[in-house]
This record gives sequence, structure tokens and C-alpha cells, in this order.
Amino acid sequence: TQLLEQSPQFLSIQEGENLTVYCNSSSVFSSLQWYRQEPGEGPVLLVTVVTGGEVKKLKRLTFQFGDARKDSSLHITAAQPGDTGLYLCSPGGAQKLVFGQGTRLTINP
Amino acid sequence: GAVVSQHPSWVICKSGTSVKIECRSLDFQATTMFWYRQFPKQSLMLMATSNEGSKATYEQGVEKDKFLINHASLTLSTLTVTSAHPEDSSFYICSAPPQGWGTEAFFGQGTRLTVV
Repeated sequence: TQLLEQSPQFLSIQEGENLTVYCNSSSVFSSLQWYRQEPGEGPVLLVTVVTGGEVKKLKRLTFQFGDARKDSSLHITAAQPGDTGLYLCSPGGAQKLVFGQGTRLTINP
Repeated sequence: GAVVSQHPSWVICKSGTSVKIECRSLDFQATTMFWYRQFPKQSLMLMATSNEGSKATYEQGVEKDKFLINHASLTLSTLTVTSAHPEDSSFYICSAPPQGWGTEAFFGQGTRLTVV
């Protein structure tokens, strides 16, 4: 059973467009992490959200943690080809990471 | 950030042979490391937790006799795929959380295993 549901699973858009991907669960988390994995490499941590309702910005990426701490979203403004990759969410608060199925994002020039 | 190195980056082996993959923490000690497997177009699936000085803990459905894990030092964990078959072909990734860094995990660059 997937602890985390990510949607969409695949997304292909043109450079310059905006997009939002989601990470949902029926469980409450103390924190939630977003990772990005580029082809042929390991994932890299983008952000950890901790407080319900929290919004964190990382340049063109905006992360939001749901008020109930059950879900999170990642919004990318003016997507660029360098944003291409697999975006993964994982419950924080533990060393052992279990990931959602991920959103595979492709930004076309 | 902390550096985790995997070796080899890719390997091709014949069916029935064994392959060893190394995961090293280069600038920190890791009492625990994690091994993941990733099939094409899919997410990372946790296989096992490698514990320094003790037996590894395997996730449900992962054969411990097929995927041998050894964590003999604070900077090295190895995953040996024994009697490899084509269905074992996958991308294997390790991660290590440095002590005192909170819950951020640092991942190796992965090893692509192809069994022919």
C-alpha cells in the first residue's frame, strides 16, 4: 500500500509554463520532504516542510504543506528544461525514507 | 553537503553470476545506510536497511539470501546480488543520513545493473 500518492505520475509541458504537482496521504506527518532525481543520478533534497500551512520558496519553486499536514504541493513557475526530472515526496522525521511513486516531469524547450 | 559514493556506476554481468555494489560515505560516518531499487519509469523502492556491525533489515518481499548486505565499517556498505537474473536488472541506489544532520539523506549516484 502506498503511503503517499503523487499526481500526476507523468507531466510534459513547454518551457515557460507553470505547473503544480501533488503529494497526498491519509496519514498525518510531522514533516514532509521533496526530492528531485535527474536521470542516472540519486535524488537530491529540495526542501523539508514542517508546519501545517507552511509555504517555502526556492527560486521558481514554491512548496506548500497542507494545514492538516497530510498533503503537500509543489508549484513551478516559468518551467525550464533544467527542471526536468523525477520529483519525489517522502515523510520526514525518520532516517528511513519511503517515497511516493513520483511525478516524472519533462520540460520541452 | 555530505558525499556518498557508489561503485561501480554501471555493470553488466551474465546470468547466474554475483555482483557486488559498494556504497561509501566519503566525509562522514554512517552507522546506517539504506539500499533502494528503481525500475525504469518508477520510483525508488526501499530494499533494506544496512546496520554497521549487525544484520541488515530487509523490507517485505526482498530476499535476504539473494541480496546480501554487509556493513563492515562506518563508511562502507556493500550489496551483493547473488545468482543474478535478467529480472534483477535495475538501478540500485544507496543513501546515508549523516549523524546530526537531521533527516536529510544523501544519495549515491546509483549503479545500473544489467544482467544478460
